[in-house]
Amino acid sequence: GAVVSQHPSRVICKSGTSVKIECRSLDFQATTMFWYRQFPKQSLMLMATSNEGSKATYEQGVEKDKFLINHASLTLSTLTVTSAHPEDSSFYICSAGDTGTDTQYFGPGTRLTVL
Amino acid sequence: AQSVTQPDIHITVSEGASLELRCNYSYGATPYLFWYVQSPGQGLQLLLKYFSGDTLVQGIKGFEAEFKRSQSSFNLRKPSVHWSDAAEYFCAVGEGTYKYIFGTGTRLKVLA
Repeated sequence: GAVVSQHPSRVICKSGTSVKIECRSLDFQATTMFWYRQFPKQSLMLMATSNEGSKATYEQGVEKDKFLINHASLTLSTLTVTSAHPEDSSFYICSAGDTGTDTQYFGPGTRLTVL
Repeated sequence: AQSVTQPDIHITVSEGASLELRCNYSYGATPYLFWYVQSPGQGLQLLLKYFSGDTLVQGIKGFEAEFKRSQSSFNLRKPSVHWSDAAEYFCAVGEGTYKYIFGTGTRLKVLA
């Protein structure tokens, strides 16, 4: 089946530093990938839609300069949290759209803790 | 406006009992409907999906869901719950690989 990986699974960083999270579709090509944020015991909040070779589309209220998204290939999208602060601590999940099955497949998530 | 409602925030069932998780949607066109399951600290796993055709769809882990257009519902069912089914369940509506709208989730607790 369609598999999406995320790396790292957990990251702890100091306030003010930047963190990069990778999302890879392992067995299919994804022209569209999505980045979500999930707060404890809450649903997923879509942050942005990432399209291969073009700029990401950010949801209202999401700072594009803080959450940099790059989708340089059909199997890789990255989310960089710049100048991270404690309020950026969260669970970040990516998904990749498989046009062959018209379905999004989700990565295992990345737990970010900013000290 | 498009929306997905999962009326039950928490559900508790005994192991071996039947389960039904409710999902109602509001969507302008014929929707694609999905159920995902999330274990603590994990990503989302696709249980099943409905695009068209037979309104009763079978998924993994013994789950099934029925699409009822007249009720705008896509309820998830399982005849006999196992302790390992304890997790968070999300209903979503979408259009292909484009943006999904998620419900708020239902947390399932299974009593031994």
